[in-house]
Amino acid sequence: GEDVEQSLFLSVREGDSSVINCTYTDSSSTYLYWYKQEPGAGLQLLTYIFSNMDMKQDQRLTVLLNKKDKHLSLRIADTQTGDSAIYFCAETQKDRDDKIIFGKGTRLHILP
Amino acid sequence: EAQVTQNPRYLITVTGKKLTVTCSQNMNHEYMSWYRQDPGLGLRQIYYSMNVEVTDKGDVPEGYKVSRKEKRNFPLILESPSPNQTSLYFCASRPTGVAGYTFGSGTRLTVV
Repeated sequence: GEDVEQSLFLSVREGDSSVINCTYTDSSSTYLYWYKQEPGAGLQLLTYIFSNMDMKQDQRLTVLLNKKDKHLSLRIADTQTGDSAIYFCAETQKDRDDKIIFGKGTRLHILP
Repeated sequence: EAQVTQNPRYLITVTGKKLTVTCSQNMNHEYMSWYRQDPGLGLRQIYYSMNVEVTDKGDVPEGYKVSRKEKRNFPLILESPSPNQTSLYFCASRPTGVAGYTFGSGTRLTVV
């Protein structure tokens, strides 16, 4: 079956690292994505990782993929107030790249 | 600027009155898709299109129609809107290949 699970909320102090976790069930996933949605806005693609990669780093963002456990995480270093948003994990599947399965999103709240 | 443009941003209508939400992209993308976002349900795909004159149902197509007569436009049509179609709608596009979707800013529809 298709399912992408995320915790709904995360609170982090400004300057600390945020780690947002995601699990998925379909072992045929090819690409996994992290999207960011700020209030009143559409989804913005932050980064993606191919399923044969373990890690991808882009400035303050680090994506880790554990394919054996079907676990994906997004680490945001030095979290800022501008990082306050909803973060969606998503996947596409082999032979179905027209379809992206989204998690329900994790709301990241930044504490002063 | 490369973007996906949806109109209108906000719409309040009455049950049964046909409406169209327009979507246009200026990136020459092949794939276009409509999603609806509802609290507790995340994003669900309504319809998608892989190219001109090629459309297919997503997870929740009932009550919606789409057309893809030109590559840049992918309107969403509600022939007889009902209150359960009150939602936040997103149009998205992407090129063939691995890149994630680029999303529009959303259309908040209320059907009374």
